[in-house]
Formats: sequence, structure tokens, C-alpha cells
Amino acid sequence: AQKITQTQPGMFVQEKEAVTLDCTYDTSDQSYGLFWYKQPSSGEMIFLIYQGSYDEQNATEGRYSLNFQKARKSANLVISASQLGDSAMYFCAMKRRSGAGSYQLTFGKGTKLSVIP
Amino acid sequence: EADIYQTPRYLVIGTGKKITLECSQTMGHDKMYWYQQDPGMELHLIHYSYGVNSTEKGDLSSESTVSRIRTEHFPLTLESARPSHTSQYLCASSDTTGIIDTQYFGPGTRLTVL
Repeated sequence: AQKITQTQPGMFVQEKEAVTLDCTYDTSDQSYGLFWYKQPSSGEMIFLIYQGSYDEQNATEGRYSLNFQKARKSANLVISASQLGDSAMYFCAMKRRSGAGSYQLTFGKGTKLSVIP
Repeated sequence: EADIYQTPRYLVIGTGKKITLECSQTMGHDKMYWYQQDPGMELHLIHYSYGVNSTEKGDLSSESTVSRIRTEHFPLTLESARPSHTSQYLCASSDTTGIIDTQYFGPGTRLTVL
């Protein structure tokens, strides 16, 4: 069974500094995908970045990058130059096959990031 | 970016009432999903649909029901609300024509059952 583990319930970072949010996963699939979502206090889930298991390069999207270490089964999110608006819950999720050509997401428990002025 | 809408955003209701949470998307996505999320916790899939007239139950058992009569509309119904149904409900949609199949979420409905 697929499982996502986020070991940091809460993190603090100084404004303008970089921060790494940890995510490890467990799967027996050869082909899979990993997502990071941001959830502000308002409640919506915002898609940030995606990494496919066969992607040779780490994904980047603006200030977000994904440190993907396949052998260690980790997909850590790096946020550079933190801003006050980055304060939110961050969820790691893995795409898993649920049927012929169909996929579903399994979510981790999330990390609450607080950016300090 | 998908346009996906949920109404109401907040709902406080008494035990035993029937409620319907609305979810609509304007992107023409074939897949739609309902997740339940307790405060500060992970999301759990309760229902999903791969197209019109297709609905399936998710990993988390739920007393709610869903329907998919139109591509853009995926309402969730609770016939008799109970305090244990108090939670946030998030709707999402995705486009299976893409390789990534990213799910885009609506703003959520925060339900409180008294």
C-alpha cells in the first residue's frame, strides 16, 4: 500500500530564508508521481509542483523546487526566499493507480509552515 | 489553472437536516473528486467520478452520496446530518488527457452540524 510520511508537524523560517519541508513515500509501483500542495488558512488547496518518478531532473517552479531522491524515496519541497504569504499548511501527495488508466492521490498529514518577519 | 467552485463556503446546520454541497467546474474536466478533511489533518477521498453517470466510493467510508448528471456538476448530499459529519469538504477535478493528471481544488465547504 502506498504511504506518504511528513515528519515535521510544524516549521518556522525567517523571512527571506530558504526552508525544506520533508516528504518520504512508500510504494511498490515503478511509475508514480509526487505533488506538493499549499493550504492557507482560508482552506483551499493550491497546486505547487509535480515530480514524476521517471523525471531525470528535479522539478522547479519559481521559488519552489523539489529535491527528489528516488533511492531514498524522498521528495522534499524547498522554498527559497520565504515570504510572509508562504505561511500555510503544506501537503505532499502521491499519485497511485486505482484502475485501468485511473489514478488517485494519497496525502500526507501535512507540515504547518510559519514565516517569521 | 482550473476554475472550480463550491457553495456554500460555510454551513451550520442542525442534526437530522438534509444538505447538499455544490461543486461545479468550468474546465470540462472528466474526473471529479470529493475529499473530507478534519482540522489540521490530511485529506481523505470519499467519492470520485470519472465521467457522467459514473460514481465510486473512495478510501474513507462516508454516509454521503454523490451524483454526476452533468460533466461540470458533482454535488454531495447528506440525507440526515449528524455532528460526526462536521468537517471540511473539498471538491477537486482533473483532466485525464494530460500526462500529469493534476487535481485542482475548490475553496472548500466548512460544515458544522450542531
